Amino acid sequence: QQQVKQSPQSLIVQKGGISIINCAYENTAFDYFPWYQQFPGKGPALLIAIRPDVSEKKEGRFTISFNKSAKQFSLHIMDSQPGDSATYFCAASKGAGGTSYGKLTFGQGTILTVHP
Amino acid sequence: DGGITQSPKYLFRKEGQNVTLSCEQNLNHDAMYWYRQDPGQGLRLIYYSQIVNDFQKGDIAEGYSVSREKKESFPLTVTSAQKNPTAFYLCASSIGGRDYNEQFFGPGTRLTVL
Repeated sequence: QQQVKQSPQSLIVQKGGISIINCAYENTAFDYFPWYQQFPGKGPALLIAIRPDVSEKKEGRFTISFNKSAKQFSLHIMDSQPGDSATYFCAASKGAGGTSYGKLTFGQGTILTVHP
Repeated sequence: DGGITQSPKYLFRKEGQNVTLSCEQNLNHDAMYWYRQDPGQGLRLIYYSQIVNDFQKGDIAEGYSVSREKKESFPLTVTSAQKNPTAFYLCASSIGGRDYNEQFFGPGTRLTVL
């Protein structure tokens, strides 16, 4: 019930294209869904996050789509650029209360390559 | 500059040795976390602390130990009981309250067992 499954493992996109990464979760108690971007040898950086009271959140070229009934959420990168080439992780965590509060469960990661 | 610092960036350990990884934050965050990252895998939680002098085991705590004597510091010791310690170790922190969830990561320490 704690798993977050992420797909695809790797993704190749041409410059200007749309990159789409999907995640599915099982635990209905999850109420916070962030996406992290990680460059080689660096720590992950929070990219964008959503809570289940909205179905979509957009920040610049990055959009999270959230489907509560399907227990799925996805990251869309519009107008993908070579500088977007990195590993992307989805994650999920439970709400307030209990010792597990704030624990993030991560997906396995997607290596995105954007060709110029 | 506010942020999370980890040291050293690279660490080499001989089998049978304990090593301690440093994590310091000046963000005034209540909660701190340690993750392990292996190639092709997501981040796995080792230990976390929501408040000074208190910490809980994560999903893969065996062979690791932590302390939280100061709000700013959350060192991780990799003991000789950890059978496969070679990995990239990441420290994170979050502010607390509803924003416990928003975790910010340090630059990581790469540990290699020789």
